[in-house]
Amino acid sequence: GAVVSQHPSRVICKSGTSVKIECRSLDFQATTMFWYRQFPKQSLMLMATSNEGSKATYEQGVEKDKFLINHASLTLSTLTVTSAHPEDSSFYICSARGTGETSGSYEQYFGPGTRLTVT
Amino acid sequence: DAKTTQPTSMDCAEGRAANLPCNHSTISGNEYVYWYRQIHSQGPQYIIHGLKNNETNEMASLIITEDRKSSTLILPHATLRDTAVYYCIVRVALLIQGAQKLVFGQGTRLTINP
Repeated sequence: GAVVSQHPSRVICKSGTSVKIECRSLDFQATTMFWYRQFPKQSLMLMATSNEGSKATYEQGVEKDKFLINHASLTLSTLTVTSAHPEDSSFYICSARGTGETSGSYEQYFGPGTRLTVT
Repeated sequence: DAKTTQPTSMDCAEGRAANLPCNHSTISGNEYVYWYRQIHSQGPQYIIHGLKNNETNEMASLIITEDRKSSTLILPHATLRDTAVYYCIVRVALLIQGAQKLVFGQGTRLTINP
């Protein structure tokens, strides 16, 4: 099946610094990638949707200047958390959707997640 | 997208069938039922999806009622590794780009007991 990777898997950064998380589709091209955030014991919350070569569409309440998303190629999207604060500590998960669909439906493949801790 | 309702938690004995219900009474005719699961500290894993017919794959079976207002995910022989949060999601499937997003509810926390 399709594989989505994320790097790093864990990161610890100091308050006020920025951190970049990479999401790659390893064996397929992804025209659309999604970024989710998950706090402990809660469900996944969609942050933004990005289409290759276009600006990301952010969900209500998500600050686009704080969470910079770049989707420069069909296999790579990055999320940069700028000026991170402890409340940004969370599990960040990306998801990629392929360019082709079968049987009238599509599957969305998820990465393994990146655990960010801001101290 | 239509909303789904799932029990917060369920327990099942190892080796038995785990039946996870999902209510989606406002589902539209063109909306599919998707199931994902998330094992602790991992990304969600796709399990199965269907429109109106029952579906089966190597992981599970999906039973959708005739009126499509509810469905049941069946793990036929649950193992300890099936302990996870299971999400039932209904959404429109598109053949064109302009992706619809998967929106997750709270899911069912399934615990498989030895």
